[in-house]
Amino acid sequence: DAKTTQPPSMDCAEGRAANLPCNHSTISGNEYVYWYRQIHSQGPQYIIHGLKNNETNEMASLIITEDRKSSTLILPHATLRDTAVYYCIVRVENNDMRFGAGTRLTVKP
Amino acid sequence: NAGVTQTPKFQVLKTGQSMTLQCAQDMNHNSMYWYRQDPGMGLRLIYYSASEGTTDKGEVPNGYNVSRLNKREFSLRLESAAPSQTSVYFCASRLIGGFSSPLHFGNGTRLTVT
Repeated sequence: DAKTTQPPSMDCAEGRAANLPCNHSTISGNEYVYWYRQIHSQGPQYIIHGLKNNETNEMASLIITEDRKSSTLILPHATLRDTAVYYCIVRVENNDMRFGAGTRLTVKP
Repeated sequence: NAGVTQTPKFQVLKTGQSMTLQCAQDMNHNSMYWYRQDPGMGLRLIYYSASEGTTDKGEVPNGYNVSRLNKREFSLRLESAAPSQTSVYFCASRLIGGFSSPLHFGNGTRLTVT
């Protein structure tokens, strides 16, 4: 299984873009990149996922490098409510979904 | 749709007591998962069930048993609770097959073992 590396914490100014990096240098060709976030002690919330191409939805954009060894989650206009722990997971389409420690993003006024 | 429902929301046990955490989903998902989250830590996978009738160990299965009762329900049992099992327990489900689908989580069960 590909392992992921994320910075433990990041700050972002309200209204600015938040760019959260994730390294997954051992990713294999059929492994997806997933992003989740967890606000306070609620259940994690799905944000976005992708395989090779960049993806965008109403919450965020996911940029995957051409070699697929790293990705960046972009929150285009961060708000205070985006303060959370963000998890990057790399997994094939099967059943064992394991989370790492994630990045604690703090959005500041 | 309720999504993923966990019961109870809170529980306090004494060391050595047993209990079962319940999880049910109404999204017709085939895979279900149990995670624990200790204070200030990420989620760790305890057990998962790829489909009805199958279960597999995750990262931290010791001290726990699971039952996939039917497609909707996946329970987690602590036979003899220990203080080290004080944690927040999350159940999740997802649809597997032909495409990638995300996990859907419940709101957690907060367990304290004294």
